[in-house]
Amino acid sequence: EVQLVESGGGLVQPGGSLRLSCAASGFAFSSYSLNWVRQAPGKGLEWVAYISGSSSPIYYADSVKGRFTISRDNAKNSLFLQMNSLRAEDTAVYYCAREEQTGISPSFDRWGQGTLVTVSS
Amino acid sequence: SYVLTQPHSVSVAPGQTARISCGGHYIGTKSVHWYQQKPGQAPVLVVYGDSDRPSGIPERFSGSNFGNTATLIINGVEAGDEADYYCQVWDTSSDSWVFGGGTEVTVL
Repeated sequence: EVQLVESGGGLVQPGGSLRLSCAASGFAFSSYSLNWVRQAPGKGLEWVAYISGSSSPIYYADSVKGRFTISRDNAKNSLFLQMNSLRAEDTAVYYCAREEQTGISPSFDRWGQGTLVTVSS
Repeated sequence: SYVLTQPHSVSVAPGQTARISCGGHYIGTKSVHWYQQKPGQAPVLVVYGDSDRPSGIPERFSGSNFGNTATLIINGVEAGDEADYYCQVWDTSSDSWVFGGGTEVTVL
């Protein structure tokens, strides 16, 4: 069974850092591209970052570029999101999501349950 | 950057058809995916590639995409279809995934 389990969320002060992890199981991890998607309380989905199976290419949303770093460890079936210079507007549930090649464009066929990040003093 | 526009909410009676629009510039040239999200849960893919369904998704869910509007269609709406629905595309000009703002579907 495919599973994605996020961890590492919590309360952090503005300007602080946090590292999120996503542990994957049940599929050939290195063969899949992965993404981080966030959802602020009561708001919609916002894509954050993308990483291919080989870790290149990598893409970021403009709202996090220069502050967040996505990475993966294929030997440990793990995805990461290093978040620096955190702001109140980064408060959200963060999901990891797997891309599956469906038709002419991939889609997000599996999602984790999310981990909550709260940026507040 | 590319923008996807969805209605904030749609209301439909049980057994009727719900149509949720997703507007975008020449969206008909892109591949649109739709996700269902119930309160407190992670999103679930319900339609990919404009109109295809993943395994396990009822045939009641379908989609279309032409011109500047993609549409998620839910036939024979059931109470369990109450959720937020999001459209999604890949924007090649900015190398980024884009989500619509989401539509809350209420079953009357």
